[in-house]
Amino acid sequence: SQQGEEDPQALSIQEGENATMNCSYKTSINNLQWYRQNSGRGLVHLILIRSNEREKHSGRLRVTLDTSKKSSSLLITASRAADTASYFCATVGTGRRALTFGSGTRLQVQP
Amino acid sequence: DTGVSQDPRHKITKRGQNVTFRCDPISEHNRLYWYRQTLGQGPEFLTYFQNEAQLEKSRLLSDRFSAERPKGSFSTLEIQRTEQGDSAMYLCASSRLAGGATDTQYFGPGTRLTVL
Repeated sequence: SQQGEEDPQALSIQEGENATMNCSYKTSINNLQWYRQNSGRGLVHLILIRSNEREKHSGRLRVTLDTSKKSSSLLITASRAADTASYFCATVGTGRRALTFGSGTRLQVQP
Repeated sequence: DTGVSQDPRHKITKRGQNVTFRCDPISEHNRLYWYRQTLGQGPEFLTYFQNEAQLEKSRLLSDRFSAERPKGSFSTLEIQRTEQGDSAMYLCASSRLAGGATDTQYFGPGTRLTVL
């Protein structure tokens, strides 16, 4: 079963705009990760944030984590057409190794 | 290309047939995972190996599914007596044992199974 929900399910923006995706989860976690998946392809790891961290940056990506609300957000700044993909958050539960994925946000960046 | 390879990339089979998929992880990675992804959903965990030991199995892994990693390198996932509901993308991932529980999983391109 899926760990939680991602919001929105689909997002369409213009190139150059920022894209924000949200993720909620249900159980206590060790860390939360974001992955990107181009249509019909495997997943690419984007960024990992530990449960004791609140914010992390990597290039044009910014991730926040609020463990009290069991939620995370991914911000992609200055989006490009190449950012068009599905984005998934995934959690590693306390004491576990496997990833539990959300249902994903499908991002479309119009050139 | 993450360095994780899967074979075949696509498999079409008839209901009731057996199928086997192979995953070759990144060479120095000792952890290997199998996930299943259906259309429009996120991947769901099936099973996980550390070296050759299968340490965790999901309830999704019915008796018709079996996975092996005999020498702690490549892994195979076999589905016996396939059903139409088995149609999905089967993803393999690998990671390297790290000091804390923060090892990143690297995914292969997946094997897309279609059961007719």
